[in-house]
Amino acid sequence: QSALTQPASISGSPGQSITISCSRASSDVGDYNQVSWFQHHPGKAPKLIIYDVTHRPSGVSDRFSGSKSGNTASLTISGLQPEDEAYYYCNSYTTTWVFGGGTKLTVL
Amino acid sequence: QVHLEESGPGVVKPSEILSLSCSVSGDSVSSGSYYWSWMRQPPGKGLEWIGYVNYNGITSYNPSLKSRVTISVDTSKNQFSLRLNSVTAADTAVYFCARFYYYDSSIGSYPYYFDYWGQGTPVTVSS
Repeated sequence: QSALTQPASISGSPGQSITISCSRASSDVGDYNQVSWFQHHPGKAPKLIIYDVTHRPSGVSDRFSGSKSGNTASLTISGLQPEDEAYYYCNSYTTTWVFGGGTKLTVL
Repeated sequence: QVHLEESGPGVVKPSEILSLSCSVSGDSVSSGSYYWSWMRQPPGKGLEWIGYVNYNGITSYNPSLKSRVTISVDTSKNQFSLRLNSVTAADTAVYFCARFYYYDSSIGSYPYYFDYWGQGTPVTVSS
């Protein structure tokens, strides 16, 4: 069982927006400010799309945005495109580096 | 552009040693700004951080694997390696190497995120 909780799947139509949540346990200490998100197309290298909750690396589309409220971080993808169909993983530090179980995004 | 590529045997027998290497191009493992990491993903499960090493050989490991893991760096070959002892079927997974951005010397900050990954290599533990 992953230390960070994500929905197993989500879907949306082209042009729509979707939001993927990533929750840590309420008992976890620390500020939960080191949250990253990765996009993974199977068979390819995972790609960093968000770090430090809200920051986008150079070259990442501004359709990807991150936010946080309490113990839940979120990734929002706006203007869905077919190439956004992939797995998305969150990552943070609790007592060790941990990942969410991954969310499969289907673009209908 | 930074590129990482994993290599190693695709099948390991139970109780034996799993050994993988990660070749780095576009950067130097001797850089003091990064740690060099291994992660894995068992079939149908999420990602698990295994550990990382820096250019000086300083390591940190996931407590759940610490007793069986060694990660080392070879600056002459610009690569780093994973060694996992006494493997079982539970160690069957896709293994990824990644770069961990540890220190930004330009502003004296500690970014703390995994920024570049390899595409992963599958390892099956089976007799």
